[in-house]
Amino acid sequence: DAKTTQPPSMDCAEGRAANLPCNHSTISGNEYVYWYRQIHSQGPQYIIHGLKNNETNEMASLIITEDRKSSTLILPHATLRDTAVYYCIVSTGNQFYFGTGTSLTVIP
Amino acid sequence: GAGVSQSPSNKVTEKGKDVELRCDPISGHTALYWYRQSLGQGLEFLIYFQGNSAPDKSGLPSDRFSAERTGGSVSTLTIQRTQQEDSAVYLCASSPRTNYPENEKLFFGSGTQLSVL
Repeated sequence: DAKTTQPPSMDCAEGRAANLPCNHSTISGNEYVYWYRQIHSQGPQYIIHGLKNNETNEMASLIITEDRKSSTLILPHATLRDTAVYYCIVSTGNQFYFGTGTSLTVIP
Repeated sequence: GAGVSQSPSNKVTEKGKDVELRCDPISGHTALYWYRQSLGQGLEFLIYFQGNSAPDKSGLPSDRFSAERTGGSVSTLTIQRTQQEDSAVYLCASSPRTNYPENEKLFFGSGTQLSVL
């Protein structure tokens, strides 16, 4: 079962930062926070993951709270192509249970 | 291609027929996952393989569903006596499964759209 809670939908203006929250209050010490996204009609795509430190790559930034009970995925300059369903997952790297995610719509 | 390949991309079948869905993972990836996604829903975990073994079959919805993997590579998901509620996109993913969880990223195929009439 998914161990994360995400808002079902969000909107973001094109060019602005998109901040997608995720609650994972029961996360274990050896579980990582992963983010994937699914663009319509495609398989999900890996975005980023982290354990306790903030992470940044070419796609996004991941901010994890100090108690690790929540995190935020940041898309710094959202484009129309970022419209997708974003999934937050906690995993040790052995199992990946997806919830229903957040449907992000980037508005022109 | 170097990605995860699934076939067929679309399958239409009649209620009560058996279907086989195929997944070719990325070469060298030892872990393989099957998920199901009904229209407008999230991904539902079905089964996971490590090599040819399936440590976790907990997501298979009923005994009509089975899966196997041979040679640590290709996997087949079989649905017997299909029902209309089996209609969904079936997604396969693979991962390298190193000893370092920070390297565990799932690579997904494009899925098989199954329609049971």
